[in-house]
Amino acid sequence: DAGVIQSPRHEVTEMGQEVTLRCKPISGHDYLFWYRQTMMRGLELLIYFNNNVPIDDSGMPEDRFSAKMPNASFSTLKIQPSEPRDSAVYFCASSAAGGSNEQFFGPGTRLTVL
Amino acid sequence: AQKVTQAQTEISVVEKEDVTLDCVYETRDTTYYLFWYKQPPSGELVFLIRRNSFDEQNEISGRYSWNFQKSTSSFNFTITASQVVDSAVYFCALRDSNYQLIWGAGTKLIIKP
Repeated sequence: DAGVIQSPRHEVTEMGQEVTLRCKPISGHDYLFWYRQTMMRGLELLIYFNNNVPIDDSGMPEDRFSAKMPNASFSTLKIQPSEPRDSAVYFCASSAAGGSNEQFFGPGTRLTVL
Repeated sequence: AQKVTQAQTEISVVEKEDVTLDCVYETRDTTYYLFWYKQPPSGELVFLIRRNSFDEQNEISGRYSWNFQKSTSSFNFTITASQVVDSAVYFCALRDSNYQLIWGAGTKLIIKP
């Protein structure tokens, strides 16, 4: 079975540019999570969806960040405009219905903003 | 408040030694779930185990074992006869009532040949 798919795997961009990260969750999973990982702050939950509906976006750093899930098999995380402090690895994870279920992570997108 | 503490920032052992990674959690929930994840140098996060608060049985999977003790709010992870491939950062996490994972800071495990 295919796991969580993320694209691109690496992204290098210049400050001020728009960045879009993409995620395809595991088929049949109802929950989708976006995380950011940095050395300084560790793993941070940015936002999560249940059945395509955003449930909690309190972790989104600021208005420059936005996330959408137009259908059960696709989600995007957009940063506009990007800043150097946004440089991090962004993970997408999904889990089956029921919060007890483990989250399965994608390979991550390493974002570098110059 | 929900919190996960992994006090060991880094552990270094020689191959074939046993090693235990500590995890202490805080929660007010009576029902909760604990997880361990592995992050090898390649960067992906790999799920290892889930344990719910009603099941205090220890778990063994090959060279891996987990000791869950509610009395001390701990969920420790032991690797027996460690191998170089076990080198990774290991994260302990607590799932709260809002379906979010509260992560520990991680323990970097270095297995020397």
